[in-house]
Amino acid sequence: EAGVVQSPRYKIIEKKQPVAFWCNPISGHNTLYWYRQNLGQGPELLIRYENEEAVDDSQLPKDRFSAERLKGVDSTLKIQPAELGDSAVYLCASSLGAGSYNEQFFGPGTRLTVL
Amino acid sequence: SQQGEEDPQALSIQEGENATMNCSYKTSINNLQWYRQNSGRGLVHLILIRSNEREKHSGRLRVTLDTSKKSSSLLITASRAADTASYFCATAEAQKLVFGQGTRLTINP
Repeated sequence: EAGVVQSPRYKIIEKKQPVAFWCNPISGHNTLYWYRQNLGQGPELLIRYENEEAVDDSQLPKDRFSAERLKGVDSTLKIQPAELGDSAVYLCASSLGAGSYNEQFFGPGTRLTVL
Repeated sequence: SQQGEEDPQALSIQEGENATMNCSYKTSINNLQWYRQNSGRGLVHLILIRSNEREKHSGRLRVTLDTSKKSSSLLITASRAADTASYFCATAEAQKLVFGQGTRLTINP
């Protein structure tokens, strides 16, 4: 069974440029998460989807970040414009259900460097 | 914001020795989970302990939870080179996981 797929794996951009990350969760997983992981820190939740609905986006910086999961399957996270402080690894995860007892499966992440 | 705080931040031991990592948190939780992250396999779920459990085992892993002290520990017995990774505790509050800063474990041959 394929795991969570993310692309690209690495991205280097100049500040003020836009960038987008794509995630395809494990088949059948209704819940999808985007996390940001700064160097030397644990992941921090940005947004959680139940099917196509964003049910927790309280930590998403909405002035520059946006996300979508139009058909309730794959998802895109966008930053426009990127700032130096956005350099981090962006992780996507999925789980069968929403409850905290459901194991989250993580993708390999996209390492973003903003110059 | 991160709730869990792992201690130590870094740990280096010899292969075959046991490794113990601790996690402290601040608020009430439904469960606490431990994850491992290395460059090869990304972030992987290791074990979940419910708030009404005190100890749980999985292979060479032993997790304890003390809700009165708001702390947990992860013990890895008979360590192997492949255990070299960062280990994170994550506290589950409602439907949300909050990760700590992690302990970087290095197993020396």
